[in-house]
Amino acid sequence: QVQLVESGGGLVKPGGSLRLSCAASGFTFSDYYLSWIRQAPGKGLEWLSYITSSGSARYYADSVKGRFTISRDNAKNSLFLQMDNLRADDTAVYYCAKGYPTDYWGQGTLVTVSS
Amino acid sequence: EIVLTQSPGTLSLSPGERATLSCRASQSFSSSYLAWYQQKPGQAPRLLIYGASSRATGIPDRFNGSGSGTDFTLTISRLEPEDFAMYYCQQYGSSRTWTFGQGTKVEIK
Repeated sequence: QVQLVESGGGLVKPGGSLRLSCAASGFTFSDYYLSWIRQAPGKGLEWLSYITSSGSARYYADSVKGRFTISRDNAKNSLFLQMDNLRADDTAVYYCAKGYPTDYWGQGTLVTVSS
Repeated sequence: EIVLTQSPGTLSLSPGERATLSCRASQSFSSSYLAWYQQKPGQAPRLLIYGASSRATGIPDRFNGSGSGTDFTLTISRLEPEDFAMYYCQQYGSSRTWTFGQGTKVEIK
């Protein structure tokens, strides 16, 4: 069955960086768009970025453009999110999700930005 | 950017009642790119509806989506106990940025 497992979350200081990973299994990874979506504590869902199946195109929400970079390794069935210049309002659970629309989601990894 | 506004913020209903959730867009877009998700506390969202009216795999037929242009609706014909949750609409693919509505909470009255 489809599995998406995020990792790499944790506590980071404002201005710091983190790299999230998402390990995928149970489907032909290279056939699908992949996305990152986050949810701040007690808040709604916020789409951050998606990458096309080949990785040739990537799109970002204005809130993270220029600070976050999405990438993928189709040989390793892995999705990544490089997050730089983190701010307190980036604190959230970060989900990776498969498809267009997003039909499967991981369970999320918590990122806390605090001094 | 297309802004999605969901209403009401909270819907208080009893099991067996009908739920009608609204999602209004700031500009018209193709209904092919409207989805609905259900989220329960501590869980990841689950895709219910895509293309405005197509049910995702395994979704019961009491969930129905409709609408076009700027106005979309999710209807739950008869609420089951497991349907009390948060619901989000999402537009995807009509532009290079995707957006979610702020959510509607369906709670037990």
